[in-house]
Amino acid sequence: KNEVEQSPQNLTAQEGEFITINCSYSVGISALHWLQQHPGGGIVSLFMLSSGKKKHGRLIATINIQEKHSSLHITASHPRDSAVYICAANQLRGSNYKLTFGKGTLLTVNP
Amino acid sequence: DGGITQSPKYLFRKEGQNVTLSCEQNLNHDAMYWYRQDPGQGLRLIYYSQIVNDFQKGDIAEGYSVSREKKESFPLTVTSAQKNPTAFYLCASKIEGGGYTFGSGTRLTVV
Repeated sequence: KNEVEQSPQNLTAQEGEFITINCSYSVGISALHWLQQHPGGGIVSLFMLSSGKKKHGRLIATINIQEKHSSLHITASHPRDSAVYICAANQLRGSNYKLTFGKGTLLTVNP
Repeated sequence: DGGITQSPKYLFRKEGQNVTLSCEQNLNHDAMYWYRQDPGQGLRLIYYSQIVNDFQKGDIAEGYSVSREKKESFPLTVTSAQKNPTAFYLCASKIEGGGYTFGSGTRLTVV
């Protein structure tokens, strides 16, 4: 069982819609990352969160440490937002912190 | 601009041959990582290195080898012992206390 669960697995939206992607994790973490992967495969880091909320342009990420839950929101979505969004938890495994990844959410925004 | 360069983007090899994937970074990051991505699965850690001349096995190290002779470089060799080498391989680096920077990936196909 993956320790990091994302939902939904697939999401289709119309341009302009508000989008939410959820991420739950099962063990304590030092930080949670939201990543974006475009069809070519390269990954861009969007946010690194350890508490509260961060905003960058139309993207907002929140985290609730007590509930072990994070959300990524996209306001006024656009077709160029179409990508796979991945959440990754920085967890202590053994003597080092390592990332455990969710399986990703495939977002398609139609014009 | 600083970043991570992975080469080549696409690689084809015959079964039974070893192949080495390149990862170079000019970010002056100490830690470097290799991940494997398969369809429908989250990224999985193959090997990581936190400092030059030192590296540790990740979750799926069997059939792979690495070296870290220079801070900038962390090549991954996929050996003939790896039973299912066809996959997308991502390299990443990290500075202490900071976020991760990912490369654009190498798609390896073994025929």
